[in-house]
Amino acid sequence: AQSVAQPEDQVNVAEGNPLTVKCTYSVSGNPYLFWYVQYPNRGLQFLLKYITGDNLVKGSYGFEAEFNKSQTSFHLKKPSALVSDSALYFCAVSAGYSSASKIIFGSGTRLSIRP
Amino acid sequence: GAGVSQSPRYKVAKRGQDVALRCDPISGHVSLFWYQQALGQGPEFLTYFQNEAQLDKSGLPSDRFFAERPEGSVSTLKIQRTQQEDSAVYLCASSLSRTSGSRDFGELFFGEGSRLTVL
Repeated sequence: AQSVAQPEDQVNVAEGNPLTVKCTYSVSGNPYLFWYVQYPNRGLQFLLKYITGDNLVKGSYGFEAEFNKSQTSFHLKKPSALVSDSALYFCAVSAGYSSASKIIFGSGTRLSIRP
Repeated sequence: GAGVSQSPRYKVAKRGQDVALRCDPISGHVSLFWYQQALGQGPEFLTYFQNEAQLDKSGLPSDRFFAERPEGSVSTLKIQRTQQEDSAVYLCASSLSRTSGSRDFGELFFGEGSRLTVL
């Protein structure tokens, strides 16, 4: 079975500071990992993904994420936070070993950036 | 627009009523997913289609839930004899990719959801 955990319900950061949103996963075999963002009254939007290759993945809006196999983590990062980054962030995982692999989401982390 | 469209956006049902929620995916998208999102929670997987084939329905919570995609495009999620615990936002997402080996696997395009309230 596959699962994903986001240990922080909320992360508060001052504008201009670096931010990290944590994610750990459990899956059989090689994981496919994703980050999605949900702005108020909007649908979920794809941010970035790790499939294979370089452990540091860059995505939309200046976000990046680092895959760490030994720690089974895929933390989302941004060097300098913007107030407009305030939203709900979801980490997701797929086992990726078959064409029918479902994508499982974490419980979400609310990111709040104060001016 | 050309995004994923869900209807109705809001549905209020009395306990015991049947409801049907519709999803119009992006044209040409092969994969279609349904998720259930309770207030303050992450999306919970319900079921997955590849074209008209329902490849995984392991997340459907009971036999009151049924999903179909008969022509490989529009999908309907039906909930029979609704219960209060069915109250949630039901999200539909589509994807161009067919398999986990394709370049755009996992890049899901979500609709805005159908909010179901069962009284």
